[in-house]
Amino acid sequence: QKEVEQDPGPLSVPEGAIVSLNCTYSNSAFQYFMWYRQYSRKGPELLMYTYSSGNKEDGRFTAQVDKSSKYISLFIRDSQPSDSATYLCAMSRAGNNRKLIWGLGTSLAVNP
Amino acid sequence: NAGVTQTPKFRVLKTGQSMTLLCAQDMNHEYMYWYRQDPGMGLRLIHYSVGEGTTAKGEVPDGYNVSRLKKQNFLLGLESAAPSQTSVYFCASSSPLEPSGTDTQYFGPGTRLTVL
Repeated sequence: QKEVEQDPGPLSVPEGAIVSLNCTYSNSAFQYFMWYRQYSRKGPELLMYTYSSGNKEDGRFTAQVDKSSKYISLFIRDSQPSDSATYLCAMSRAGNNRKLIWGLGTSLAVNP
Repeated sequence: NAGVTQTPKFRVLKTGQSMTLLCAQDMNHEYMYWYRQDPGMGLRLIHYSVGEGTTAKGEVPDGYNVSRLKKQNFLLGLESAAPSQTSVYFCASSSPLEPSGTDTQYFGPGTRLTVL
């Protein structure tokens, strides 16, 4: 079993839809949870991060962490064609371990 | 401020040839990483470095070597390329002094390598 599971999709939605992207994980030691966005033929870039449990909102994006269920989510409201990309979740333990554990990424297409 | 740059952007090799991929960062980051990304496999860590002169193995280190002689540069070498090393290679860097306290990694644009 992989430490982080993420459905690769692809996910196709109409413009304006609410998008929900999810990852599950098995290691309860993870404390930092991140979402990266990767446009086609580009490197990943950090979109949002959350420490421990709870919600974090940034504009149209909301990240949620439920440590009791070992489940994290990224919600995109009023999705735009420019949101079309691959979204990767990543996690790490607290302390000096700087290595991220990555999900496979979910491919999202927002259709005008 | 260019961030993380990678050289070259594209390369085609024949089996058995060698090459070096160069990563440079101008953010004064301590940590640097080399990943490969393949369809259905996601990002896999090849090697990483926590400081100048140090390197460590990641998840898939076989067939690769690295060096970090200068803080701003991280080199990835393929001594004898194999078709299984056809991939997109990404370099990343991060800093333990990141205000968020997270492992925010900043990525380069990638190198697309094909081994025939």
